[in-house]
Amino acid sequence: DIAMTQSPDSLAVSLGERATINCKSSQTILYSSNNKNYLAWYQQKAGQPPKLLIYWASTRESGVPDRFSGSGSETDFTLTITSLQAEDVAVYYCQQYYGTPPTFGQGTKVEIK
Amino acid sequence: QEPLQQWGAGLLKPSETLSLYCAVYVGSFSDYYWSWIRQAPGKGLEWIGEINHSGTATYNPSLKSRVTISVDTSKNQFSLILTSVSAADTAVYYCARQQLLSRWFHPWGHGVRVTVSS
Repeated sequence: DIAMTQSPDSLAVSLGERATINCKSSQTILYSSNNKNYLAWYQQKAGQPPKLLIYWASTRESGVPDRFSGSGSETDFTLTITSLQAEDVAVYYCQQYYGTPPTFGQGTKVEIK
Repeated sequence: QEPLQQWGAGLLKPSETLSLYCAVYVGSFSDYYWSWIRQAPGKGLEWIGEINHSGTATYNPSLKSRVTISVDTSKNQFSLILTSVSAADTAVYYCARQQLLSRWFHPWGHGVRVTVSS
């Protein structure tokens, strides 16, 4: 299985400041034939199911605010939340869908400082 | 109406069989794959398996020997059977939709909490 490792496990950011979450895969998840990175990001608020934020490493799902952005390639990826809002308090997960089974990172908890 | 509605027994004893169901109210049932994913208390997310409208299923090798995912296209529903449960199977179980060729998941069901305890 492809292992996904996120860092940090948690972070506290002031309102309006930037939050950066890293995700590293144990092997490349860039498919050379289409030059796409098979990575998604999810937001999970307390008591709710995960919500898709980003797929193909950098494509925002419809309706997701543009303060959320994804970047990276091959094995190293980043989710950035510019100007953190109170409603962004949640656990964030990365997920690879290059291999079977699809696997998730352990999650990063984002709180307000 | 929620796009995916789940139901099933929430309390099981060790060695019993878990049965969960998911009804789909979003999109064309045949245009997507349908997955089960679970989340143990305080833990991350684990993909259990997927199925398409034709009944072709793929399972996580870690659970394959105990899992069956089935589909009922007449009702736009799919189901999860997990046999011989133990405390390690205690989790919130989610159903979710995925693209045909790309396993990102959207939307998700609300989740069913399953507890295995003697």
